[in-house]
Amino acid sequence: GAGVSQSPSNKVTEKGKDVELRCDPISGHTALYWYRQSLGQGLEFLIYFQGNSAPDKSGLPSDRFSAERTGGSVSTLTIQRTQQEDSAVYLCASSLLGQNYGYTFGSGTRLTVV
Amino acid sequence: GESVGLHLPTLSVQEGDNSIINCAYSNSASDYFIWYKQESGKGPQFIIDIRSNMDKRQGQRVTVLLNKTVKHLSLQIAATQPGDSAVYFCAEKRGNNNDMRFGAGTRLTVKP
Repeated sequence: GAGVSQSPSNKVTEKGKDVELRCDPISGHTALYWYRQSLGQGLEFLIYFQGNSAPDKSGLPSDRFSAERTGGSVSTLTIQRTQQEDSAVYLCASSLLGQNYGYTFGSGTRLTVV
Repeated sequence: GESVGLHLPTLSVQEGDNSIINCAYSNSASDYFIWYKQESGKGPQFIIDIRSNMDKRQGQRVTVLLNKTVKHLSLQIAATQPGDSAVYFCAEKRGNNNDMRFGAGTRLTVKP
């Protein structure tokens, strides 16, 4: 597509439920990133996929968070047993190469855990 | 509306004035820097980048300055317009690591 697409744009879930957030990167982009943006904060790195390499999961805050990227394209970020502190905007970005290029961001998914 | 960044540092300028947004980065090994603009309800948009072997880079109405001695980055916007109102983030890329670290952001408000 023309840009990075994320769905849903908004998600309200009950504490303890699992959620899945989806990211469709720009076609042909080999690198895909997930970031979290909490209120009043900058962007917190979560996970990075580059081609067929093992993903860099060093930013995932707990084992309740996981992500996969199927077929080198679409990515899903899963949060299990959601907590109120998981409430944030989750942003996905993709780039043509993994290094030294600007990323193109999606509009994000606003997650609210009640 | 979008409420991200209620507690961000703020900069208020008059339309037509020049704006300077500053950022301090933490890692002297960072070799690539980007400024992003984030409007309400949208993801960050790339504005301009600079590599560590440069001190200055100019774009259309924007200039980025890099001072590696004091690990400082600035974004200058000439003739600021109402459409420039947004949150601006600097980001640093650290060597061989694949993640890009973002600053907390500055909210720029342009007064007509």
